[in-house]
Amino acid sequence: DAKTTQPNSMESNEEEPVHLPCNHSTISGTDYIHWYRQLPSQGPEYVIHGLTSNVNNRMASLAIAEDRKSSTLILHRATLRDAAVYYCILRGGFMYSGGGADGLTFGKGTHLIIQP
Amino acid sequence: GAGVSQSPSNKVTEKGKDVELRCDPISGHTALYWYRQSLGQGLEFLIYFQGNSAPDKSGLPSDRFSAERTGGSVSTLTIQRTQQEDSAVYLCASSLAGGRSYEQYFGPGTRLTVT
Repeated sequence: DAKTTQPNSMESNEEEPVHLPCNHSTISGTDYIHWYRQLPSQGPEYVIHGLTSNVNNRMASLAIAEDRKSSTLILHRATLRDAAVYYCILRGGFMYSGGGADGLTFGKGTHLIIQP
Repeated sequence: GAGVSQSPSNKVTEKGKDVELRCDPISGHTALYWYRQSLGQGLEFLIYFQGNSAPDKSGLPSDRFSAERTGGSVSTLTIQRTQQEDSAVYLCASSLAGGRSYEQYFGPGTRLTVT
């Protein structure tokens, strides 16, 4: 899977929007952009994913640049519960390779700190 | 609906003993993954099941590790002759299908401590 670059940490205030950036300049046309997060002492949690168009779900929005070389995860109104490490991952979706090739690989992610 | 469940939540065992970890995936999910995460480390893929196909065991660190999935649902990860380096959180995830366009849903994990 292609490489992604995220800031090590970001800080925001409670009830304010948060924009988490991710650069993926080597993305291929078949790579899906996935976001997961991991709260302290918990398993990873799926947040959102997309291919080309912007996506919205109950947790967040995903804004994908027109050239797909970057994307932004948007938390519209951060709460203390959103404090976690956020991982941006590219996953090739065209060919199913199976097994370990489908296993998730997390980089270092962005440590999001929410101030009350 | 019910998410992925794992048991036990915590397991302390003595070096050399065998342990079994259980995963109940989301109903209807055909793909099941096992990972482990050591303290402060990233995810390490262990094994993958997809439907009735033979599992992909490419991530298993040694032949002391094995896993099975009965009836396409519940899975058990077995570690024989545990070593201290096996101490980690073992995570199970399931997905509606295999393939990289599908999201994975994780269980809470089993924290294994080998003394």
